[in-house]
Amino acid sequence: AQKITQTQPGMFVQEKEAVTLDCTYDTSDPSYGLFWYKQPSSGEMIFLIYQGSYDQQNATEGRYSLNFQKARKSANLVISASQLGDSAMYFCAMREGPGNTPLVFGKGTRLSVIA
Amino acid sequence: GAGVSQSPRYKVTKRGQDVALRCDPISGHVSLYWYRQALGQGPEFLTYFNYEAQQDKSGLPNDRFSAERPEGSISTLTIQRTEQRDSAMYRCASSLSRESNQPQHFGDGTRLSIL
Repeated sequence: AQKITQTQPGMFVQEKEAVTLDCTYDTSDPSYGLFWYKQPSSGEMIFLIYQGSYDQQNATEGRYSLNFQKARKSANLVISASQLGDSAMYFCAMREGPGNTPLVFGKGTRLSVIA
Repeated sequence: GAGVSQSPRYKVTKRGQDVALRCDPISGHVSLYWYRQALGQGPEFLTYFNYEAQQDKSGLPNDRFSAERPEGSISTLTIQRTEQRDSAMYRCASSLSRESNQPQHFGDGTRLSIL
């Protein structure tokens, strides 16, 4: 079974609208962390946001927020007020267990923001 | 710059040659990770270090791949007797500490092409 599932290969959103990128995960470990990264066409990997399995509140970072639903094992990324510069590939990733274990990535969602 | 630095940015070599890929992490970062990313996919874990100690090398595809970080800073990923299937983007990442909430910061990668 895949550890991280991103079911949307591609998404379109109108500029200034909000968009939700889906991510579901599979783990039996009670301690884990969820990360989102942005990869523009230039190829760099940019860290956006982190959610720990024991965190009580949903993580937020500027226009990014994480809709964490633990019982459903989902960690969707919400981008508010989309900008043209948000067009990129977005990867959801998970770390299992305590400490700095390696990340397992999903296949990604390509977001296109339309003017 | 203060980010993760990888060299070379591009490497083209003939099948059967050995290659060495270098990663210079962010200064002071304890942990260093190597990933491989195929086109249109998320990165896949290869190996990682805390300080100079290799913690996990379970992601290395076979014994032609090896990595070291002898002084706990710069790391080298070596591929011996390269094959065409080794062609990919090789990415290095570093994180500040072994805490589970620390994000990994990625370098721009080395694009390896085996002819």
